[in-house]
Formats: sequence, C-alpha cells, structure tokens
Amino acid sequence: GENVEQHPSTLSVQEGDSAVIKCTYSDSASNYFPWYKQELGKGPQLIIDIRSNVGEKKDQRIAVTLNKTAKHFSLHITETQPEDSAVYFCAASLGEKLTFGTGTRLTIIP
Amino acid sequence: EAQVTQNPRYLITVTGKKLTVTCSQNMNHEYMSWYRQDPGLGLRQIYYSMNVEATDKGDVPEGYKVSRKEKRNFPLILESPSPNQTSLYFCASSPRRSGGHTGELFFGEGSRLTVL
Repeated sequence: GENVEQHPSTLSVQEGDSAVIKCTYSDSASNYFPWYKQELGKGPQLIIDIRSNVGEKKDQRIAVTLNKTAKHFSLHITETQPEDSAVYFCAASLGEKLTFGTGTRLTIIP
Repeated sequence: EAQVTQNPRYLITVTGKKLTVTCSQNMNHEYMSWYRQDPGLGLRQIYYSMNVEATDKGDVPEGYKVSRKEKRNFPLILESPSPNQTSLYFCASSPRRSGGHTGELFFGEGSRLTVL
C-alpha cells in the first residue's frame, strides 16, 4: 500500500515569514495530493489540493508543488499569520484510499 | 448547514463493553470513511464505504466493524474494545468524483474514546 512521510513534525516561524512542509509518497500510481489543516479541537479541513498532471497550484498565500519523478510534494505558506498556527497533514490518494502523513504542528511566533 | 455529525464526542468505557460511534452526513455524499488519530501516527484509515452496502477495509481494520445500510449513516462498531483502541476517531464523507480519487473529505468534529 501507499506510505506517506511528512517532515518536519514541528515547525516554528516568525509571523510574516514563510513556512514549508514536505512530504514523500511511495506509490507512483497515486494521483491526488490534498493538504488538510486541523485546528485545535476540530476535524481536518481541506486547504489546497493538486492532481498528478499538475506541477504547482497556488491559492493566495498557500501553494503546493508536486515532483512526480521524485515522488514528493510540498506546502508553502507565505506571509504567515497567527491564524496559520495549526496541525497540517499531507495525503496521497490511490484510488478510493487516502493515506495521510503523520502531521506537522506549525506555530507562528508573533 | 452541511455537516458530518458524530456521537458521542467523548466516551470512557471499559474493556469488552461493546460500543457504537454513530456518524451521519446531510450532504448526500456517496463516500464515507473512518479514521483514527494517534500522536505521532497521523490519521489512519479504519474502514471506508463507496456506497450503500459497499464497505472495505482501510489500513487498521482489526477490532472494528462498520455497516452502511443507508447513504447518510456509517456507524463504527467496537464489539469488544481494548485499551489499544483508545484514540481520537474521525468520520469523513466525500461526493464521488471522476478521476479515480476520493476528492475533498468533509470531517466530523471527532470522538475521543478512552478504553480502561
């Protein structure tokens, strides 16, 4: 089955700086790569996703890049704000199964 | 309001006492799934269902059962809970999409289960 590794497990950045979270996946047949944000006490929410036929996607301050050859994808958050503090999960979809990474706790330092 | 509703949100039980965590969605979604979240392990899929009467094992199905008799409901059953099933559980749903993947998952608020 699919295996998704996510790094780092914790990340602290100054408000206004950029944050980058990286994930690798094992199965080259995976074709969909979403990112979820989980705030304290809540369920995860989709923030951005990318399909395997696209290399990069951007939505305001967040962007995701995908390198199919190397089997890795990354989340980039620019101009970080206090409300960006949360746990972020990457995931890879192989058909109807979605496998998540282990999560990154992002803390924005005011 | 479109939502996925789980009950109970918190439960403390004892080893061996059967319990059911209910999940209901009001978005007419075909796909539903259960995940457990444990520190350092992320979200791991327990079972999923692509439609009524169609369920399949995820990565950690041992000790759990599910059923999908109606489109909106997908209960998670622990027939004989053990302490290693102490965890935070999430139900999620998604509309079926073309392209061979799950599409956006909508998660419930979670159910924190403690088995003593």
